[in-house]
Amino acid sequence: AQSVTQLDSHVSVSEGTPVLLRCNYSSSYSPSLFWYVQHPNKGLQLLLKYTSAATLVKGINGFEAEFKKSETSFHLTKPSAHMSDAAEYFCVVSDQDRDDKIIFGKGTRLHILP
Amino acid sequence: NAGVTQTPKFRVLKTGQSMTLLCAQDMNHEYMYWYRQDPGMGLRLIHYSVGEGTTAKGEVPDGYNVSRLKKQNFLLGLESAAPSQTSVYFCASGHTYEQYFGPGTRLTVT
Repeated sequence: AQSVTQLDSHVSVSEGTPVLLRCNYSSSYSPSLFWYVQHPNKGLQLLLKYTSAATLVKGINGFEAEFKKSETSFHLTKPSAHMSDAAEYFCVVSDQDRDDKIIFGKGTRLHILP
Repeated sequence: NAGVTQTPKFRVLKTGQSMTLLCAQDMNHEYMYWYRQDPGMGLRLIHYSVGEGTTAKGEVPDGYNVSRLKKQNFLLGLESAAPSQTSVYFCASGHTYEQYFGPGTRLTVT
């Protein structure tokens, strides 16, 4: 069975400092992994995705994530936080062969301190 | 391109009332999805469709019905609304490896 765990429900960082949002997953199949961002009162936007190509994935707005199979992790990072990064972030795992196996993490709210 | 649009944006229902949420996409995607988002729960898949005329159950289908009569539209129906269905509903189109989300419908059932 698939599952995804976002290890922090809230993360606060100062503007200009690095961001780390942690995600662990479990999957019995060949997983695809994603990070989505949701700004207040908005829909979700895809930040980046891993689909069995390069393990270091670069996304929009300077975010990147590294797929580590041995650690079953897919943490999201950014070298320098910006005020506009304040949002909720969702880690998502899906099974490439199953249309219905799309599992969202419970989300991490990122706060940026001035 | 409008992408994915949802109608209405807000709705308040009384318990037992019915309503239909409309999702439309103009990206010619075969796959469409309905999710609900509740605080601290992330998004949970209600129903999905892999093409015109097809629908399937997701993780939390009870109390909802869907129809996909046209490729570009995916309707979510609540036959008899319950307070437990108070939520924000998101439609998405695309595929499991990339989905495009609508702006959401905030539904309150009193």
